[in-house]
Amino acid sequence: NAGVTQTPKFQVLKTGQSMTLQCAQDMNHEYMSWYRQDPGMGLRLIHYSVGAGITDQGEVPNGYNVSRSTTEDFPLRLLSAAPSQTSVYFCASSSQGARGETQYFGPGTRLLVL
Amino acid sequence: GQSLEQPSEVTAVEGAIVQINCTYQTSGFYGLSWYQQHDGGAPTFLSYNALDGLEETGRFSSFLSRSDSYGYLLLQELQMKDSASYFCARGRGAGSYQLTFGKGTKLSVIP
Repeated sequence: NAGVTQTPKFQVLKTGQSMTLQCAQDMNHEYMSWYRQDPGMGLRLIHYSVGAGITDQGEVPNGYNVSRSTTEDFPLRLLSAAPSQTSVYFCASSSQGARGETQYFGPGTRLLVL
Repeated sequence: GQSLEQPSEVTAVEGAIVQINCTYQTSGFYGLSWYQQHDGGAPTFLSYNALDGLEETGRFSSFLSRSDSYGYLLLQELQMKDSASYFCARGRGAGSYQLTFGKGTKLSVIP
């Protein structure tokens, strides 16, 4: 199993550009989520999905859209990039089990918005 | 509230034991998790406590006291490779799939 994969690894955007960060998992997990990580801020939840066709907002959703058409894929769209969206983005998936909310993270996408 | 508090930095000597504390607000608490993240890497799951007490996984243990709204991660026989950031995290809602993370504790292991 590849686990959780993310593309691209690095991206530079200009203010106002749009782009899609890709995330895929091959563990048949129901739950997927997107986090952003900024220095000194920990990880903050952007959007999450509890299954195909179901998404909801997390703590910092503004400026981002998501969709979940399949169990495997959960892309994150930046509608009009702003310098404040410079960050490292992590996708994660999780399944319910005896150990509660064990989340498996992808390797991350490092985004710089100029 | 959902916030968690943990120290920003800890330094410990190779071979020693270190404890990283985490306090949280009690509202809607579902369990406490711990994640490790090396510089430039992704967070990886270490441990989870839903009930009071100690969970042991090799050199790592995690403890939870729900009455004190407090938990800690204990790392024994420290190795240089344990230098990393450690995050406590709590469930945000029913089913505990959504996580709120603390800001992380950067552990530096010195010879």
